[in-house]
Formats: sequence, C-alpha cells, structure tokens
Amino acid sequence: GAGVSQSPSNKVTEKGKDVELRCDPISGHTALYWYRQSLGQGLEFLIYFQGNSAPDKSGLPSDRFSAERTGGSVSTLTIQRTQQEDSAVYLCASSLAIGGSYNEQFFGPGTRLTVL
Amino acid sequence: AQKITQTQPGMFVQEKEAVTLDCTYDTSDPSYGLFWYKQPSSGEMIFLIYQGSYDQQNATEGRYSLNFQKARKSANLVISASQLGDSAMYFCAMRKGGKLIFGQGTELSVKP
Repeated sequence: GAGVSQSPSNKVTEKGKDVELRCDPISGHTALYWYRQSLGQGLEFLIYFQGNSAPDKSGLPSDRFSAERTGGSVSTLTIQRTQQEDSAVYLCASSLAIGGSYNEQFFGPGTRLTVL
Repeated sequence: AQKITQTQPGMFVQEKEAVTLDCTYDTSDPSYGLFWYKQPSSGEMIFLIYQGSYDQQNATEGRYSLNFQKARKSANLVISASQLGDSAMYFCAMRKGGKLIFGQGTELSVKP
C-alpha cells in the first residue's frame, strides 16, 4: 500500500523566496504532522492536524511558517521569505489518530530544503 | 517540561553481538508513550518499537526489545544479534499530546 509521500524531494531556493512543501498522508489517517530535521537542532515538531480540530501550531518557529490541510488529506507547509537557517529536511508523518495508548506515526521520505 | 536524552552520539558493535542504546526521559505526566525509530542513511524514519507507561511488560519486536525502567525513567533499546543493516541513526521519542519529542539520536555502526 502507499505510504506517506512528499514533494518535492529536494528544493533549492534563494534567500527571500517563498516555498511550498507538499505532503500526502496515508489514506484513512486522520492525523498529520510536520517535523523539521537539521544538524544543529535535531528533530523538531512544527505543527499537527487532527481531523477538523484546530491545528497545534506550537512548534512553528516564526510567523513566516504556515501550514494548511485541505479536505482532511493533503497538507502544504509554506515558508515565506526563506532564510538560510530554514535549510533542513522537512518530514511529514501521519497516523490513524492522536489519542489512544499507541499511535504509530508513519513518516514520509522528507523534503530537503536548501536556502542559498 | 518533557525531555528526551540520548547520551551516546555514536556506538560501535560487532556483527552478531547485542547492543544497548540508552534513552532517559523526563515527564510529570503519569500517562505517556515511548517510541524508538531507526533512520538509515536513506533518510526515512522507520518505527521500531513502542512502550506505554502503563504496560506491565517490556515491549519486544523481533530482535528489538525495550528495557523499560519506569522508576529510573529510562527506556533503553536492545538490539540482539546485530546485522550490518542495523547501521543507522536511532531516535528515542516521547509522545506529548499528538506530537513526538525526539532525543538527539545515536549513530550505530555495525562492524563485520
């Protein structure tokens, strides 16, 4: 079956430009998460969506970062006016739900963002 | 605040031997979940094993087992009979609400 997919796999952009990263979760998964992995900061939570509830945006590092999830499925992470410190691998994950005692998150292959 | 600590940046193990990767955590919540993920050089995050705070027994999944010591707040991953394909980064994580909080990771190298 299809796993979590992300596009593009690599993105090189110039400082100051906007970028959009896309995530397609596993079909039927109601929860979707974005993480960022960089050398200096390790793996950091950014935002998650659960069904129709308001997203938890507590991990977004600045107001240049935003994300939306359309129709409870595909999600787009947007970074405006990119900075060099935004360079990282952006990972998307999905799960069946957030609650419960066990809730494995399945990760996509990531998008490697390089800001020149 | 919840925190995950992995104190071993890198580990070496001989093929076919067992290895333990350390993980300690800090939380005041009575209910929590602990996860281990493997990240090979290809970059994908692969779920290995889960331990719930109320689970009576240590979790096991094939060659992976979790040495859960609740009083010491440790959740060490034990890999038995190491294989060359086990060479990767290993991350311990704790679930807080919906999100995962990750440790800094341990890079495991398996020697032939």
